[in-house]
Amino acid sequence: AQKVTQAQTEISVVEKEDVTLDCVYETRDTTYYLFWYKQPPSGELVFLIRRNSFDEQNEISGRYSWNFQKSTSSFNFTITASQVVDSAVYFCALSEAPSSGYSTLTFGKGTMLLVSP
Amino acid sequence: GAVVSQHPSRVICKSGTSVKIECRSLDFQATTMFWYRQFPKQSLMLMATSNEGSKATYEQGVEKDKFLINHASLTLSTLTVTSAHPEDSSFYICSATQTSGPRTDTQYFGPGTRLTVL
Repeated sequence: AQKVTQAQTEISVVEKEDVTLDCVYETRDTTYYLFWYKQPPSGELVFLIRRNSFDEQNEISGRYSWNFQKSTSSFNFTITASQVVDSAVYFCALSEAPSSGYSTLTFGKGTMLLVSP
Repeated sequence: GAVVSQHPSRVICKSGTSVKIECRSLDFQATTMFWYRQFPKQSLMLMATSNEGSKATYEQGVEKDKFLINHASLTLSTLTVTSAHPEDSSFYICSATQTSGPRTDTQYFGPGTRLTVL
C-alpha cells in the first residue's frame, strides 16, 4: 500500500527565510510519480511539480527547489527567500504507474506554511 | 493550459435537497476525472474515479446512491449529492487528467465547491 507522510503540520517563518517542507513516501512499486501541490486559502490546488521514480535529478524553478532521494524515500521541497504569498497548505502526493489507464493519488496530510512580513 | 473549472463555487442548501456540481476541463480532453472531498484542515479524500462513458469507481465507504457521478463527455463530469444532510457539508474538489500528451499522469484540480447544508 502507498503512504505519504508529511510530518510537519505547520511551519511559521518570517519573510525572506528559507524553508524546507519534508515528504517521505512508501510504495512497493518500482515505477511511481511524486507530486507537490499548493493550496492557498482560496482552496484551489495548484500543481507545482511532478517527478518520476527514475529521475533523481534535483529540480529548481525560481525560488522553489526539490530534492528527491530514493535511498531515503524522500521528496523534500525548499522555498528560498520566502514571501507572504507563499503562505498556503502544501501537499505531497504519490501515484503508482497505471495498470489500466489511470492511477490515483495518495496525498500526505499537508503542511501549512505561514510566512509573516 | 490544463485548466479545470467547477460550478458552483459555493452552494448553500436545505437538508433533503439535491445539489449538482459540475467539473469541466476547459482546454483539454479528460478521459478520467476524480472527485475528492476535504474537511477543514484535513487532506483530500478520494471519493470516486469517473471515466467517460462508463460507470464511476467509488472508494470504499462512499455511498454510490448518495453521490451520483456522471461523466457524459470528455470535458464534463458531474457530482450530485442526493438528499443532502448537514454532515455532507464539505469542500468538494474535482481533478482531471489529460487524455493524451506528456502529462497524462498528472491531475489538474478545479477550484473546488464549498457545500453547506442547513
